[in-house]
Amino acid sequence: AQKVTQAQTEISVVEKEDVTLDCVYETRDTTYYLFWYKQPPSGELVFLIRRNSFDEQNEISGRYSWNFQKSTSSFNFTITASQVVDSAVYFCALTPPNSGNTPLVFGKGTRLSVIA
Amino acid sequence: DSGVTQTPKHLITATGQRVTLRCSPRSGDLSVYWYQQSLDQGLQFLIHYYNGEERAKGNILERFSAQQFPDLHSELNLSSLELGDSALYFCASSVALAETYEQYFGPGTRLTVT
Repeated sequence: AQKVTQAQTEISVVEKEDVTLDCVYETRDTTYYLFWYKQPPSGELVFLIRRNSFDEQNEISGRYSWNFQKSTSSFNFTITASQVVDSAVYFCALTPPNSGNTPLVFGKGTRLSVIA
Repeated sequence: DSGVTQTPKHLITATGQRVTLRCSPRSGDLSVYWYQQSLDQGLQFLIHYYNGEERAKGNILERFSAQQFPDLHSELNLSSLELGDSALYFCASSVALAETYEQYFGPGTRLTVT
């Protein structure tokens, strides 16, 4: 069974601080995909990144970066120089590759509050 | 804007009633997913349709049903509503069958059952 754990329920930082959101996953599959989604106060879920288990290179997109470590089953997300607009709930998710019969499994989410 | 539309945005109804939530996927996307988000359960997968066919079912109650029409829009029907059905219901679409492709979410329908 797939499981995603986001141990940090809520994080509060001051603007311009760096912040890392943790994501630990469990799966028996050797091939799988990991995702991060952002849910701002307006409510919609916004896709941020998709990473497959064969690609362990870290990814950077502007102030966002992701650290994938297969050895520790973690896919952590770092926001550099946080801004108030980064305030949102962030979800990590996991799925194995298949024919479309296994759903995406989400973590419980981490609520990030960036204070001006 | 993800390109996925959901109507209505808000819905308030009484226990025992039946409602229909509607979703239009992004142009070209054949997969439609429905999720329920509640405070206690988090984001729960309900059901997945691909090109009109049901592909996977999650924690969907028997009182709930869905379908995807030939024009690829989808409807989620919730009947005999209970207070506990109050939640945010999301529809998401994806270009392919497999969940390995990113899903694009609609703005959600907030259902309040009184």
